[in-house]
Amino acid sequence: DQQVKQNSPSLSVQEGRISILNCDYTNSMFDYFLWYKKYPAEGPTFLISISSIKDKNEDGRFTVFLNKSAKHLSLHIVPSQPGDSAVYFCAAKSAAGAGSYQLTFGKGTKLSVIP
Amino acid sequence: DTGVSQDPRHKITKRGQNVTFRCDPISEHNRLYWYRQTLGQGPEFLTYFQNEAQLEKSRLLSDRFSAERPKGSFSTLEIQRTEQGDSAMYLCASSPQGKGENYGYTFGSGTRLTVV
Repeated sequence: DQQVKQNSPSLSVQEGRISILNCDYTNSMFDYFLWYKKYPAEGPTFLISISSIKDKNEDGRFTVFLNKSAKHLSLHIVPSQPGDSAVYFCAAKSAAGAGSYQLTFGKGTKLSVIP
Repeated sequence: DTGVSQDPRHKITKRGQNVTFRCDPISEHNRLYWYRQTLGQGPEFLTYFQNEAQLEKSRLLSDRFSAERPKGSFSTLEIQRTEQGDSAMYLCASSPQGKGENYGYTFGSGTRLTVV
């Protein structure tokens, strides 16, 4: 039972255009959502997060949107750069109770930015 | 801040052998996590330490797995009687207390285990 789903295994975008990576979740107890980027042979690197009480968080070229009623979030990268080519993981966690220190990850989306 | 260090980077072992991995978190981080990642999957939670106390364990952590953090600094993850299904990337992460629930964990580069 996958609680965090990234349904697109891969995405190709032209340099300078917008990249939109999507993520759906099923567990309504999730309170925080995080995006990580992973290059080959490295560990995941934290990018940006959002609390469930917000619908948008922006940090430079990265913006995360949360639609809580649809249990859907997306990461927008504008403009996309070749260095953004990596695997992007969506992750979620609860604020309290059992499992509150666990991040639940999706399977990832491989982004390729074409020069 | 030298980041989270994991040793070794790669380990090849024969089925049935025991292996031990080490993780050195960022020095001021009192929270430490172990995750496992297999091909085509996202990282899966294994266990969590706050200082030296192991506070959460996943069902994935069978009785062949044991993790320790004896002095609240570095941690070790031991797998006894390894099986081919244990082949994976083992990731360690750390985070400081008091930074907010949406503070991102810092991951190490991982130890890739191959059981032959």
